Amino acid sequence: GQQVMQIPQYQHVQEGEDFTTYCNSSTTLSNIQWYKQRPGGHPVFLIQLVKSGEVKKQKRLTFQFGEAKKNSSLHITATQTTDVGTYFCAPLSAGGGNKLTFGTGTQLKVEL
Amino acid sequence: DTGVSQDPRHKITKRGQNVTFRCDPISEHNRLYWYRQTLGQGPEFLTYFQNEAQLEKSRLLSDRFSAERPKGSFSTLEIQRTEQGDSAMYLCASSLEVGSATNEKLFFGSGTQLSVL
Repeated sequence: GQQVMQIPQYQHVQEGEDFTTYCNSSTTLSNIQWYKQRPGGHPVFLIQLVKSGEVKKQKRLTFQFGEAKKNSSLHITATQTTDVGTYFCAPLSAGGGNKLTFGTGTQLKVEL
Repeated sequence: DTGVSQDPRHKITKRGQNVTFRCDPISEHNRLYWYRQTLGQGPEFLTYFQNEAQLEKSRLLSDRFSAERPKGSFSTLEIQRTEQGDSAMYLCASSLEVGSATNEKLFFGSGTQLSVL
């Protein structure tokens, strides 16, 4: 079955530093979604990637989907305290049903 | 409020008791999911419905767990004979899907925090 690893598990950065989280799958993916969960909150949708090699940007956030559609990354430029939270990838495995499974998440802490 | 709502927000119960949670999805959404989340982990898939049909249930899910969506609108999740290991946040999410594929974003509710003593 599909196995999804998300690294790193935790990341502490100084405000203004960049941050990247990676999501790696053992199987080819149909698409992948990314969610953000603030402390004490619920997951909130950020983006969906569908095409091989796709890159999407949302202000300081850059999302990439690997050429082989087995990995994805989220990069935040110049982090701010509002970026604090846990970032989850949620891949949909090709031929693996229609449920979204979530990665283990990367918890980001931003210090002033 | 037109978002996903869950009730109750918190539930404390004694081991062995039955509990039931309710989820009201966004009204036009045809798909409804239940997830479970423990501290430091990602949401774990439990089951999902397309309209009133339960299309998939996690193989890891105990028979003590059952979910319904009788009219294709709200859903209930029941846990029978609760155990301490059932303590978690139970999240409901909904989406509007066209066809059988999963292409749309999930909207999550605030969850029900279950504590089994």
